[in-house]
Amino acid sequence: ELKVEQNPLFLSMQEGKNYTIYCNYSTTSDRLYWYRQDPGKSLESLFVLLSNGAVKQEGRLMASLDTKARLSTLHITAAVHDLSATYFCAAHYNNNDMRFGAGTRLTVKP
Amino acid sequence: GAVVSQHPSRVICKSGTSVKIECRSLDFQATTMFWYRQFPKQSLMLMATSNEGSKATYEQGVEKDKFLINHASLTLSTLTVTSAHPEDSSFYICSARGQGGEKLFFGSGTQLSVL
Repeated sequence: ELKVEQNPLFLSMQEGKNYTIYCNYSTTSDRLYWYRQDPGKSLESLFVLLSNGAVKQEGRLMASLDTKARLSTLHITAAVHDLSATYFCAAHYNNNDMRFGAGTRLTVKP
Repeated sequence: GAVVSQHPSRVICKSGTSVKIECRSLDFQATTMFWYRQFPKQSLMLMATSNEGSKATYEQGVEKDKFLINHASLTLSTLTVTSAHPEDSSFYICSARGQGGEKLFFGSGTQLSVL
């Protein structure tokens, strides 16, 4: 069964702190996505990771992929309030199937 | 970047009526489009995958006669919720990908409320 498990589900951080969100997937995937969703809005694409060892960075966010461990991480550096949102990972499979994690609701407090 | 337009953004309808939601890729040809449903504070659930010119593939538990999907052109897919009931109230999101494309682009979503 295709499963994507994301943790933590809720994350409350102080501004300036670092933290990591984890995404495990159950079956070999050819692509791993990270998205951001603000309340009442659709999804904004953050990263697409295609190969083992891939690392991508944009601002205070950095995503990595370990295909052997079937694990992707989203690392937040020196969090700021604007990063408060819900973050989803999603694993894509060859048959066009795509499964989303449950989402991590991030709150960054001053 | 590529843009996917979804319309309407919000719709309120009476129970028993049908509602059509449109999803358009504005600057690329979307060979594959996906329709998702999202309940409040929950993740996205894939409802169906549609490829241009062919019948949609529905996920297990999704009634194809209730959620009609049409992908008649490379830039347009529609989802029609037939005979809507209050339990169909949800946030519906479409996404689209061009041939060979890595990225998936999402529409802005449609909040459906059935009274």
